[in-house]
Amino acid sequence: AQSVAQPEDQVNVAEGNPLTVKCTYSVSGNPYLFWYVQYPNRGLQFLLKYITGDNLVKGSYGFEAEFNKSQTSFHLKKPSALVSDSALYFCAVSSEDSNYQLIWGAGTKLIIKP
Amino acid sequence: EAGVAQSPRYKIIEKRQSVAFWCNPISGHATLYWYQQILGQGPKLLIQFQNNGVVDDSQLPKDRFSAERLKGVDSTLKIQPAKLEDSAVYLCASSVSGGPYEQYFGPGTRLTVT
Repeated sequence: AQSVAQPEDQVNVAEGNPLTVKCTYSVSGNPYLFWYVQYPNRGLQFLLKYITGDNLVKGSYGFEAEFNKSQTSFHLKKPSALVSDSALYFCAVSSEDSNYQLIWGAGTKLIIKP
Repeated sequence: EAGVAQSPRYKIIEKRQSVAFWCNPISGHATLYWYQQILGQGPKLLIQFQNNGVVDDSQLPKDRFSAERLKGVDSTLKIQPAKLEDSAVYLCASSVSGGPYEQYFGPGTRLTVT
């Protein structure tokens, strides 16, 4: 069965410090990995994706993520956090075997403190 | 480029009443999704359309939920009769096609069933 785990319900980071939001996955076949962000009372916004190629993927708002096949991880990172980065972050995975249906993690609440 | 439009943004109904949600996807997007998101959880796919055909409705409670995309553009999701457990945010998303493409989400409709 395909699954996504976001092991931290909440991550607290001081403004200006680097941040990491963790994601691990289990999928049959080649994974296609996505990060989305959700601000309060807003829909989900696409941040970045990994389909193939370079393991380091750059996305919107200065975020990046690293695909690690051996560890089946796709952690979201940013070198210097902003207070405005505070939001709910979702990792999702799909594969051809699942007919490209997105399997979502439970979400991680990121809190950036001034 | 206009994003995914949804209406209404908020709806409060009593149990056993009916409700309908409307979605207009990004122009040219062939694939349309309806998700249910309960507070604190990741989205749950209810139904996926490719043009005006249903690709996946395996998680749609068909005894009370129905959806249509008659002309392959906008879509409606209906609940009849509503139950208390249907209280959630209903998200519509679209993508260029049904492959490993990012999905773009509307702002959602927050449904409260009392």
